[in-house]
Amino acid sequence: DILINQSPASLTVSAGEKVTMSCKSSQSLLYSENNQDYLAWYQQKPGQFPKLLIYGASNRHTGVPDRFTGSGSGTDFTLTISSVQAEDLADYYCEQTYSYPYTFGAGTKLELK
Amino acid sequence: QVQLTESGPGLVHPSETLSLTCTVSGFSLTGYSVYWVRQPSGKGLEWMGRMRYNGDTSYNSALKSRLSISRDTSKNQVFLKMNSLQTDDTGTYYCTREGLRRAFAYWGQGTLVTVSS
Repeated sequence: DILINQSPASLTVSAGEKVTMSCKSSQSLLYSENNQDYLAWYQQKPGQFPKLLIYGASNRHTGVPDRFTGSGSGTDFTLTISSVQAEDLADYYCEQTYSYPYTFGAGTKLELK
Repeated sequence: QVQLTESGPGLVHPSETLSLTCTVSGFSLTGYSVYWVRQPSGKGLEWMGRMRYNGDTSYNSALKSRLSISRDTSKNQVFLKMNSLQTDDTGTYYCTREGLRRAFAYWGQGTLVTVSS
């Protein structure tokens, strides 16, 4: 199985700050046939189901604000929030969809000061 | 629009079998794969298994011996059965559908399952 190491486990920031979180895979998630990475980011607010933010490592899902940016390729990936808003308080998960079984990172909890 | 709705018993006794149903609308089960993901209370997400559009299944190796996923395409339903439930199986169970790059673009609201005597 592909292992996903997500860090940090938690972040405490002030509104307006820039935030980055990391996701590292135990093997490359780059599919050679189409040169696409199979890595997704999700946001889960308390009491809600996870919502897709980023697919293919760097593509924003429909309706996702442009302050959310995904980057990286191969084994190292980053989710950046350019200017954190109060509504971004949530848990964030990355997931590899390169091969079965799909696997999730342990999550990053974003808390606001 | 695409919708997925989970249903099942809220309470299961230890050692018993969990049976959940995911009812879908807005797409065909013969055109898209449906997945089950669970979340133990206060913990992270765990991929459980998949019903592929062609009827093939894949399972999390840690759950494979206890888990079975099936479907009824005429009723637009996907089923999850997991036996020998224990208290650490307590949590919210979601069904999802993939979108681009196989990311889970569509989720049900989830159903809470409590394993307790």
